Amino acid sequence: DTAVSQTPKYLVTQMGNDKSIKCEQNLGHDTMYWYKQDSKKFLKIMFSYNNKELIINETVPNRFSPKSPDKAHLNLHINSLELGDSAVYFCASSQDRTRNQPQHFGDGTRLSIL
Amino acid sequence: TQLLEQSPQFLSIQEGENLTVYCNSSSVFSSLQWYRQEPGEGPVLLVTVVTGGEVKKLKRLTFQFGDARKDSSLHITAAQPGDTGLYLCAAPGGSSNTGKLIFGQGTTLQVKP
Repeated sequence: DTAVSQTPKYLVTQMGNDKSIKCEQNLGHDTMYWYKQDSKKFLKIMFSYNNKELIINETVPNRFSPKSPDKAHLNLHINSLELGDSAVYFCASSQDRTRNQPQHFGDGTRLSIL
Repeated sequence: TQLLEQSPQFLSIQEGENLTVYCNSSSVFSSLQWYRQEPGEGPVLLVTVVTGGEVKKLKRLTFQFGDARKDSSLHITAAQPGDTGLYLCAAPGGSSNTGKLIFGQGTTLQVKP
């Protein structure tokens, strides 16, 4: 069974549209994250949630709104998509938010803005 | 600002060769992790080092944490095509327990048969 699963795997859409990416983890972890990986493969954290509570919001534009209905799910909604939003978005989870915890990543959602 | 700098950014070698990837910072970290990412997949944790001077081995991969906990290296002996991928170092960012990781920019390794 997939530990961290994201849908969709590919997302191609027009500039100005609104889209959502869903993430689910079946590891029983308390903490979940969204990362953005740019075209140069640089991976940067966007948000993290711990037991449905927002912990990290890394100066991400307001057009990005995460939602965690329960601790196993963390979704990402993006309004008014821009060309610069094209990237691979990764969801990840960890047992909790203490240091040294391994993070388990999904396989990514490749977002392309036309 | 905490930064992790990896070198080299790209490495293309023949099967059987040895290689070393470096991860350096001016900041001191409580720990450091190495991940490997294959095309179309997410990063997968290889190892976590927590003690200055610590050396950990994973088959042909040897990881070292610098004595001052500012740098780390990954050495691969007798590289194989299956070692091809993007290698990322990561360390806890920020001043409190948030789970935040900051990543190096990665080293893309290609091992040719």
